[in-house]
Amino acid sequence: AQSVTQPDIHITVSEGASLELRCNYSYGATPYLFWYVQSPGQGLQLLLKYFSGDTLVQGIKGFEAEFKRSQSSFNLRKPSVHWSDAAEYFCAVGPRGGTDKLIFGTGTRLQVFP
Amino acid sequence: KAGVTQTPRYLIKTRGQQVTLSCSPISGHRSVSWYQQTPGQGLQFLFEYFSETQRNKGNFPGRFSGRQFSNSRSEMNVSTLELGDSALYLCASSSGLAGGGGETQYFGPGTRLLVL
Repeated sequence: AQSVTQPDIHITVSEGASLELRCNYSYGATPYLFWYVQSPGQGLQLLLKYFSGDTLVQGIKGFEAEFKRSQSSFNLRKPSVHWSDAAEYFCAVGPRGGTDKLIFGTGTRLQVFP
Repeated sequence: KAGVTQTPRYLIKTRGQQVTLSCSPISGHRSVSWYQQTPGQGLQFLFEYFSETQRNKGNFPGRFSGRQFSNSRSEMNVSTLELGDSALYLCASSSGLAGGGGETQYFGPGTRLLVL
């Protein structure tokens, strides 16, 4: 079955510290991979996406993610977290062709301490 | 360019009633997808419409239905509401020109539905 796992429900970091949010997926073939962020009371905003090619993907707000086929992972990273990064982060996968359907992970809530 | 808009933003209904939510995609976008977000189940795909046709459907009961108009605006309807239908309903649009899959989806702010 297709699924996305985000093992960390809640992460707390200090402002300025580095961040890594984990994402593993189970899919028949390499899907499209996405990271979205959701601030309280808001919709989802796309941070970055992986389609093919370079496995290190740069996104907005200083985020990057690395696709590792052998580990079926697509972890999100940021070298220095800002207080405004506090939000919920969702990893998602989408099939290649035919539909825009996304399968989301359960999300990781990020808390940032000053 | 205006983003995805959803109306209403908040809604309170009682069990057994029905509700219609509306989504206006980004101008030029032809694909609209709907998702339900709850604390227990997370984000789940409801259905997707492209050029007025349902292109994909999630695992929701038939009480959940949708449609898309010629201007790409979409509505979703939930009949015979249950307490468990309380959720944030998100709609997302994409151009749909690549035949689906992998296109950036832009999400609206959602409609928060509370069923009493």
